[in-house]
Amino acid sequence: AQKITQTQPGMFVQEKEAVTLDCTYDTSDQSYGLFWYKQPSSGEMIFLIYQGSYDEQNATEGRYSLNFQKARKSANLVISASQLGDSAMYFCADDDGNKLVFGAGTILRVKS
Amino acid sequence: DAGVTQSPTHLIKTRGQQVTLRCSPISGHKSVSWYQQVLGQGPQFIFQYYEKEERGRGNFPDRFSARQFPNYSSELNVNALLLGDSALYLCASSLAPAGAFSAGELFFGEGSRLTVL
Repeated sequence: AQKITQTQPGMFVQEKEAVTLDCTYDTSDQSYGLFWYKQPSSGEMIFLIYQGSYDEQNATEGRYSLNFQKARKSANLVISASQLGDSAMYFCADDDGNKLVFGAGTILRVKS
Repeated sequence: DAGVTQSPTHLIKTRGQQVTLRCSPISGHKSVSWYQQVLGQGPQFIFQYYEKEERGRGNFPDRFSARQFPNYSSELNVNALLLGDSALYLCASSLAPAGAFSAGELFFGEGSRLTVL
């Protein structure tokens, strides 16, 4: 069964600086996909970025990029130029057939 | 276009009661999934429905049930509520059938926050 590990319960970052949120995964599938979602206090899960296991390049979406290291089974999220509105919970997830398997999440707080 | 809408947004129940949560998917989406998110944890998969048929079920007791209607909206029912059922219940919709997720194809609502006293 898939397992996602996020070892950082909470992180602080200064506004305008970059921050990396860690994610490691455990899967026996040859083909898989990794997701990052942002969850503000409103509760909605907002899709940020996706990486397919066969994608040769690291995914990027605006200020978000995914540092995908397949051999290490890691898929870290990098947020550049942090903004106050980035303060939220961040979840890494793996697709497991018909569902997503989520990690425990990391709370990010951006300081002004 | 309207996103995924869920109702009610907040509700309080007592142990032993029953609750029904509702979800309207994005227009054109035929798949609805339900997730339970206990405070301090990531969401956990409960059910997926596609074209009104159950396509997947997570590790939840039979007290949890769901259905999907012809208009693709969905209800999640929980019977005999326990304190541990207190959680945010998230609904997600997608165009794709089971097993075909990829970037940006799964959209979540803001959830129904259930408190069991």
